[in-house]
Amino acid sequence: EDQVTQSPEALRLQEGESSSLNCSYTVSGLRGLFWYRQDPGKGPEFLFTLYSAGEEKEKERLKATLTKKESFLHITAPKPEDSATYLCAVRADSNSGYALNFGKGTSLLVTP
Amino acid sequence: EPEVTQTPSHQVTQMGQEVILHCVPISNHLYFYWYRQILGQKVEFLVSFYNNEISEKSEIFDDQFSVERPDGSNFTLKIRSTKLEDSAMYFCASSERGNTIYFGEGSWLTVV
Repeated sequence: EDQVTQSPEALRLQEGESSSLNCSYTVSGLRGLFWYRQDPGKGPEFLFTLYSAGEEKEKERLKATLTKKESFLHITAPKPEDSATYLCAVRADSNSGYALNFGKGTSLLVTP
Repeated sequence: EPEVTQTPSHQVTQMGQEVILHCVPISNHLYFYWYRQILGQKVEFLVSFYNNEISEKSEIFDDQFSVERPDGSNFTLKIRSTKLEDSAMYFCASSERGNTIYFGEGSWLTVV
């Protein structure tokens, strides 16, 4: 069974304090790993897609990396506006209709 | 920037009543999806829809649920006889092909 596990569940950072969020996955045939940001009461907002081990993507203070077993979302010098829940999702060979299997998310709080 | 639009934003319904949630996907997208998120839990896949038929569905998507694309722009989710456990945020999403999925802001359903 495909599994997606995110850690930590919650993370509190001081403004400017860099850190990383982890997403480990077990799937039979990865067809894409996706990172989303979700603000309270809102829909997931797309950040990145990674397809193969060694791939990296960057956007402002965020950088996503992928290995064969996990992905990291690195946050460099975060600001309070980066506070949100960060969701990891995978698409596998078993998803004939392109469904995504989400992890539970990491809730990030950045304090001034 | 094109976006997925959902209505209503919030609906309260009596147990046993039928509910229809409405979505307007991004205009040039061909794949449509419904996900749900029970309060405090992870985002769960319900169904994907392509070329006027269901291409994949989860175990959650039982006979109580149905989807329809009644015209060229709308995509609906119907729950025939709502239960208390159907209370959740329902997200509509779309993708151009089977690649990046963009989510709407959600319809919050409360069953009383």
